[in-house]
Amino acid sequence: DQQVKQNSPSLSVQEGRISILNCDYTNSMFDYFLWYKKYPAEGPTFLISISSIKDKNEDGRFTVFLNKSAKHLSLHIVPSQPGDSAVYFCAASAGVLGGGNKLTFGTGTQLKVEL
Amino acid sequence: KAGVTQTPRYLIKTRGQQVTLSCSPISGHRSVSWYQQTPGQGLQFLFEYFSETQRNKGNFPGRFSGRQFSNSRSEMNVSTLELGDSALYLCASSLDEGMNPEAFFGQGTRLTVV
Repeated sequence: DQQVKQNSPSLSVQEGRISILNCDYTNSMFDYFLWYKKYPAEGPTFLISISSIKDKNEDGRFTVFLNKSAKHLSLHIVPSQPGDSAVYFCAASAGVLGGGNKLTFGTGTQLKVEL
Repeated sequence: KAGVTQTPRYLIKTRGQQVTLSCSPISGHRSVSWYQQTPGQGLQFLFEYFSETQRNKGNFPGRFSGRQFSNSRSEMNVSTLELGDSALYLCASSLDEGMNPEAFFGQGTRLTVV
């Protein structure tokens, strides 16, 4: 049962344009969402997060939007840079109610930013 | 501030052997979680330790175990290794304050079982 889904395995955008990565979840207990960036053979790097009490969080070029009613979140990267090329994982936590810091990850989206 | 340190970075083991992986969390972080990454299954949660106690456990067989020491350092052990245990094993540490589960990952240990 895949509780966090990233339906696009890959995305290709041009340098300078916007990258939009999408994530859907099914578990209503999830109350905190995170995005990670990962290069091969390395650990994921934390990018940005959002609590379920918010619908938007911004950090530099990265913005995460949360639509609780649709159980959907998205990561916007503007402007996209070649160094952004990596696999992006969406993760969710049920927080205190779910017990501990267990993160449930999506399957990832490979972003390629082309010159 | 030093990040999460995992040792060793690479391991090759034979089927049936056991292996121990080590993780030193970020200073001040009390929660340590372990994840397995494989091409077919993605990132799967193994278990979480907090104050030397296992607080949460994923859906893995009992061959996978772990522990946490008083200084928050953690080890995970896999006994009777199988070929399917070949994976990147990732450790993550969290401050564990309030409702923020932000986790910071180490570079991982690449385990190959032959």
